[in-house]
Amino acid sequence: GAVVSQHPSRVICKSGTSVKIECRSLDFQATTMFWYRQFPKQSLMLMATSNEGSKATYEQGVEKDKFLINHASLTLSTLTVTSAHPEDSSFYICSARDGTTQYFGPGTRLLVL
Amino acid sequence: GESVGLHLPTLSVQEGDNSIINCAYSNSASDYFIWYKQESGKGPQFIIDIRSNMDKRQGQRVTVLLNKTVKHLSLQIAATQPGDSAVYFCAENTGGFKTIFGAGTRLFVKA
Repeated sequence: GAVVSQHPSRVICKSGTSVKIECRSLDFQATTMFWYRQFPKQSLMLMATSNEGSKATYEQGVEKDKFLINHASLTLSTLTVTSAHPEDSSFYICSARDGTTQYFGPGTRLLVL
Repeated sequence: GESVGLHLPTLSVQEGDNSIINCAYSNSASDYFIWYKQESGKGPQFIIDIRSNMDKRQGQRVTVLLNKTVKHLSLQIAATQPGDSAVYFCAENTGGFKTIFGAGTRLFVKA
């Protein structure tokens, strides 16, 4: 099946710094990618839909200026958590759509100290 | 986000028994449903899917049942094994666009 990768797999940063997470579709092109956030013992919550060549669409309650999304190519979307704070610590998971099927990445664990 | 952020309910079963995991979905317009398995520290893994024009679909050791009348999905795992221990999420999709996850159930398999 199709493979989606994320980098880094885990990151620790200081409060106030920005962190960039990459999501790549390795063997297919994805015009649409999705970013989810998952807190411990909770479900995945959709943050935004990343569209290649256009602006991302954010879910209600998600700050677009804090979570910057760039989908510059058909195989890469990036999520930048700007001015990260401890409450942004979470598991960030991306997915890429190939046709009607969504393939999920392995996730990125972010810890903000 | 649109999914519900609740603490996960837990299902504990004996190895070899059948497991049934239930899920209620919210959007009557959803036409595609998926079950995912998530192991600790990993991304969701596709298990089985079903479209709204079906009420049952079978895979290897797994069966998904869909009841559109009451907006209910279930995942049945036959002969549950220790490797099945994980968190299981149902997800709904409308028109092939974004996928919204349900609350999830943690499955413990006792040896």
